[in-house]
Formats: sequence, C-alpha cells, structure tokens
Amino acid sequence: NAGVMQNPRHLVRRRGQEARLRCSPMKGHSHVYWYRQLPEEGLKFMVYLQKENIIDESGMPKERFSAEFPKEGPSILRIQQVVRGDSAAYFCASSPGPGLSSYEQYFGPGTRLTVT
Amino acid sequence: AQSVAQPEDQVNVAEGNPLTVKCTYSVSGNPYLFWYVQYPNRGLQFLLKYITGDNLVKGSYGFEAEFNKSQTSFHLKKPSALVSDSALYFCAVRGVGGATNKLIFGTGTLLAVQP
Repeated sequence: NAGVMQNPRHLVRRRGQEARLRCSPMKGHSHVYWYRQLPEEGLKFMVYLQKENIIDESGMPKERFSAEFPKEGPSILRIQQVVRGDSAAYFCASSPGPGLSSYEQYFGPGTRLTVT
Repeated sequence: AQSVAQPEDQVNVAEGNPLTVKCTYSVSGNPYLFWYVQYPNRGLQFLLKYITGDNLVKGSYGFEAEFNKSQTSFHLKKPSALVSDSALYFCAVRGVGGATNKLIFGTGTLLAVQP
C-alpha cells in the first residue's frame, strides 16, 4: 500500500511565479491536510479538505494561497505570485474517513519550495 | 486556544540509557494527543496516539508515552535508546471546535543519542 505521495519533491520558483504542489493520499483515505514547515520551526496547519470540499482553511494566508481536492486526481496547493517568505517545506497528510482512525494522519515526504 | 509546548529544544542521551522527551498541552475538553518523528529531509512518521483508555500508550519502535491529565503532560519515553533514534520529535494535539481535524504541533525536540 503506497504511502502519501507528493510531487515535486523540490521546487524552485522566482519571485512572482506560481507554485503548484500535488498530493496523492494513501489508498482509501478521503481526508487531506496541508501543513507548512518554515526553517527552524514546527509544522503549521494550513487547510483540511475532503473530496470537493474545504472543511477548514483557518491556517491559509488570506491572499495568493488556494487548495483543492477534486473528485478525481490529487489535491493541489497553489501559491500565486510567490515571495521569498513562501520558501518552506510543505507537507501533505491524509487520513481515513469517519471514526477513531480518522485521527491518525499519515504524512508525505514533503515538497521543498525555494523562492529565488 | 489549543497549544502544545515542548520545553526542550534538544535532548542528549547515551545509547542504552532511558530517554524522555517532554510535552505539555493546553486544550479545552478531552485531548487527543500524538507523537511524530521526523528524520532529516523526510516527512513525519506517526509513533503513537492517546485518544482514550489507558494512560500508558505503546507505539512504534519501542516508544511509549504517558498521559497525565493532572499535569497536562504527554511525555514520550523509551527504556533503552538507540543511535538510530536520533531525530526530531514532535508532539501534537488535535484541534477542537467545528469540524476540524487539524493537528497543532509543538516546536519539536531534537533527540541526539550518543554511541
């Protein structure tokens, strides 16, 4: 059973460009979460999605950031007009549907975004 | 607001000795608590969780954690440390309120096990 997959693993963008980060959850998981890890810091929650629904986006910056989890295909975290402060590791996690097991989140290897 | 504190940036221990990585939490209601480990340039790996039941929770790789409600703590422990346990350890609590299932992480503790 493949784990959570993220691509690309490394992404370099110049200021002002767009960054698209993709996440495929574990097989059978219908919940996806995005977290950001800035250098020397812990992980900060960004957004929680189920298929075609945003459940909690309380951690998303108000501008330039968006996320989706379509009916088919991976979840996408999109950052428009990137700035140097967006440089970080972005981790995706997934969990099963309702029930106690939904509290266990399984993380992907992350995408390391560098903005030059 | 919910929060997690890991008071030690780094813990040093000799191989074969017991280890403890500390975590305290602040949350309204019953806490759901987690420990994750992160190796360099890797994602987080789930170690164990406390949802309900026994205060001593056993997890992966010989780790265990003790939930103490009166001290609002959830310390990670292992009876005998291995060099391969050297990594960054994160404590987390599930957010409460609404439909969220988000995790709120501590700042992490770097565990260094010397041979």
